[in-house]
Amino acid sequence: AQSVAQPEDQVNVAEGNPLTVKCTYSVSGNPYLFWYVQYPNRGLQFLLKYITGDNLVKGSYGFEAEFNKSQTSFHLKKPSALVSDSALYFCAVRDIRMGGGSQGNLIFGKGTKLSVKP
Amino acid sequence: GAGVSQTPSNKVTEKGKYVELRCDPISGHTALYWYRQSLGQGPEFLIYFQGTGAADDSGLPNDRFFAVRPEGSVSTLKIQRTERGDSAVYLCASSGKAGGPHEQFFGPGTRLTVL
Repeated sequence: AQSVAQPEDQVNVAEGNPLTVKCTYSVSGNPYLFWYVQYPNRGLQFLLKYITGDNLVKGSYGFEAEFNKSQTSFHLKKPSALVSDSALYFCAVRDIRMGGGSQGNLIFGKGTKLSVKP
Repeated sequence: GAGVSQTPSNKVTEKGKYVELRCDPISGHTALYWYRQSLGQGPEFLIYFQGTGAADDSGLPNDRFFAVRPEGSVSTLKIQRTERGDSAVYLCASSGKAGGPHEQFFGPGTRLTVL
């Protein structure tokens, strides 16, 4: 069965330091991978996605993510964290089924709370 | 442009009552999704529509839950005989097309509390 794991409930970093939020996935085929951010009392906002091609994907607000097929990982990164990056981050996957096509829905991890201190 | 909107933002009801949650997707988006997010968890898929038809309703937990999208735009999620375990944030999302590489755009959610 398809699944996504975010092994850390919370990540704490100091402002200006690099940050990494971890994500691993399990799918039957080749994945489409997504990162979303959720601020308090707001909906999820799309950050970036991996479809195919370059393993390093760049997204909104200076975030990037590295796709690693051998480790089945898609870690979110940012070179220099801001206090305003503090939020809940969700990794999600959509499975590409054999023979083409894909299910419509996303499968989400349980989320990682990022806290950036000044 | 306008994003996905959901009404109401908050709904408090009593156990056993019927509720309707509304979603207005981004104009022109053909795919519409409903998810449920419980405290401390990621969103869990309920149902998605491609146009007017439910393309996949495998995430609906039981037959008390039902959703419609009669004109291929606005959707309503309906919950009959609500139970306390139904309390959660119900999220709606839309995308230009279903599946594939297309990202979904989420609304702010409806927080449902069943007393």
